[in-house]
Amino acid sequence: DSGVTQTPKHLITATGQRVTLRCSPRSGDLSVYWYQQSLDQGLQFLIQYYNGEERAKGNILERFSAQQFPDLHSELNLSSLELGDSALYFCASSVVLETEAFFGQGTRLTVV
Amino acid sequence: DAKTTQPPSMDCAEGRAANLPCNHSTISGNEYVYWYRQIHSQGPQYIIHGLKNNETNEMASLIITEDRKSSTLILPHATLRDTAVYYCIVRSGGTSYGKLTFGQGTILTVHP
Repeated sequence: DSGVTQTPKHLITATGQRVTLRCSPRSGDLSVYWYQQSLDQGLQFLIQYYNGEERAKGNILERFSAQQFPDLHSELNLSSLELGDSALYFCASSVVLETEAFFGQGTRLTVV
Repeated sequence: DAKTTQPPSMDCAEGRAANLPCNHSTISGNEYVYWYRQIHSQGPQYIIHGLKNNETNEMASLIITEDRKSSTLILPHATLRDTAVYYCIVRSGGTSYGKLTFGQGTILTVHP
């Protein structure tokens, strides 16, 4: 158990819908990262937050947005969902930017 | 980000040492080498990281060449539970410090 908690574990939704994925980092960790893993793409970096501020952005679609709240938990919002958004979404956290990151068990999103 | 090159797959007998190579010939002086593994769609698991010197922890050893252009992850006594995809990552610096860019990794299969 890495100490990073992601909810829900599984999510099935229809095209066009909007969902919110939640991540609780390890106690004391200030930085949160989001990754997407689909079958044909591998692990793709989406976005990183540090103490509530966005620090780095990867290949995140405009339909996706994220936020880190004052209590340091983070949410990834996915809207206008398409079949191709079906993937595993992982959250990771680290104490500060330059320390090792620990990953949660992921949310498996299926868009039908 | 410095690119890494890993063999697509490797085999290892249970109980023997598994030596996983990684080439990172364009690494910069302030970039660390990180190793993660992913067991069948679980969240990636941090293994070890290093800058210049060899490192050892309870999971593995990391050997970095003197010119830092390559490294080897050593699992001293591989077990069936070590079967996973192993990722060698050079951690980016600058304004996107902390971002971990995953490649295709090496599929390690440990057989009885």
